[in-house]
Amino acid sequence: GQQLNQSPQSMFIQEGEDVSMNCTSSSIFNTWLWYKQDPGEGPVLLIALYKAGELTSNGRLTAQFGITRKDSFLNISASIPSDVGIYFCAGPPIIQGAQKLVFGQGTRLTINP
Amino acid sequence: DTGVSQDPRHKITKRGQNVTFRCDPISEHNRLYWYRQTLGQGPEFLTYFQNEAQLEKSRLLSDRFSAERPKGSFSTLEIQRTEQGDSAMYLCASSSGTLTQWPVTDTQYFGPGTRLTVL
Repeated sequence: GQQLNQSPQSMFIQEGEDVSMNCTSSSIFNTWLWYKQDPGEGPVLLIALYKAGELTSNGRLTAQFGITRKDSFLNISASIPSDVGIYFCAGPPIIQGAQKLVFGQGTRLTINP
Repeated sequence: DTGVSQDPRHKITKRGQNVTFRCDPISEHNRLYWYRQTLGQGPEFLTYFQNEAQLEKSRLLSDRFSAERPKGSFSTLEIQRTEQGDSAMYLCASSSGTLTQWPVTDTQYFGPGTRLTVL
């Protein structure tokens, strides 16, 4: 099945730094989603991308849908303590009518104050 | 709109016991999904419902697992004869199911999860 690989697996940064993470797949996706999960909670949708090359922002977060449709990037500018958590990329498999999501293994972000 | 709720939040059981989890979706959401998340991994799809119909089941859903959504509102996930490998966070999500057309997917809203520990 389609799998998503995220890198890096973890990041340790200083407050105020910018963050970049990415997600790749061996097969194409028509939709890329970025979720954030806090400890003990379910994932929360941050950004959804539906078109190759699309660049979408949500506050300090910016995500891009790769031109090849096999990757996506998430950037966080001027990180703050509440950005701590695990970031997941996800997308529906490219099967007609598929509604389930496939998730990457996550990027864990830790911020030193 | 109170969001997706799950009960219980935590469950500790002994191997071989049966457990049942409940999920209440956002009201009027037609689609309901179950995922399993183990430590250090992303959620993995288990099954999903459109109203009361169970439309897809993952191969992860062994014969010991059963999910129901009898009236198209809340859903239950039962695990029979639990094994230590069943220890995980079980997440429920819901989506409206009415406004989008593939390949655009509904936004899935996740609940807080039920953390299962099998001793």
